[in-house]
Amino acid sequence: KAGVTQTPRYLIKTRGQQVTLSCSPISGHRSVSWYQQTPGQGLQFLFEYFSETQRNKGNFPGRFSGRQFSNSRSEMNVSTLELGDSALYLCASSAKPGLPNTDTQYFGPGTRLTVL
Amino acid sequence: AQSVTQLGSHVSVSEGALVLLRCNYSSSVPPYLFWYVQYPNQGLQLLLKYTTGATLVKGINGFEAEFKKSETSCHLTKPSAHMSDAAEYFCAVSEDQGAQKLVFGQGTRLTINP
Repeated sequence: KAGVTQTPRYLIKTRGQQVTLSCSPISGHRSVSWYQQTPGQGLQFLFEYFSETQRNKGNFPGRFSGRQFSNSRSEMNVSTLELGDSALYLCASSAKPGLPNTDTQYFGPGTRLTVL
Repeated sequence: AQSVTQLGSHVSVSEGALVLLRCNYSSSVPPYLFWYVQYPNQGLQLLLKYTTGATLVKGINGFEAEFKKSETSCHLTKPSAHMSDAAEYFCAVSEDQGAQKLVFGQGTRLTINP
């Protein structure tokens, strides 16, 4: 079974631009969560989607948004990029309730975003 | 809200020595608890998880963790370190039973000396 895939793996943008990151969950998984990883703040939860609905949201400004499609693929968007948005963005998926290991998140390799 | 503390941002051990990485969490309610490992330029790989039941949990790559409710701790151990264990290790707890929102510790970078 293929793992979580994220595209692109690396991205360079300039301040003020916007960016869209993509995540394809493990086949059969319905929940997708996003995390931001920085040296200063560590790993922080952004949001979680299940069946195209946002179920949980972390403490990030409204410039950070996401969505999920009917095939469970998810995108996150960051508008008006700031230098501090430079980070590794990780996506994780988990199985829908009723299946084994529904309580476990499986992570993708991440997208490294650099804002200049 | 949950919080997770990993004692020691950097741990260094000799090859063949015991590895002990410490994790304490804040909740009085036994959470779902996870240990992940991250190799350079990669995502997070699940080492082990604690949900309910046995307090000693075995994971992959020879790692195990003992969950101690009375101490709100779940320390990660490996009897004999290998060079390939060099990586960053993260302890995380879930904020809900479905474990869809994880709260992570700051991570511990493990270095193995030959």
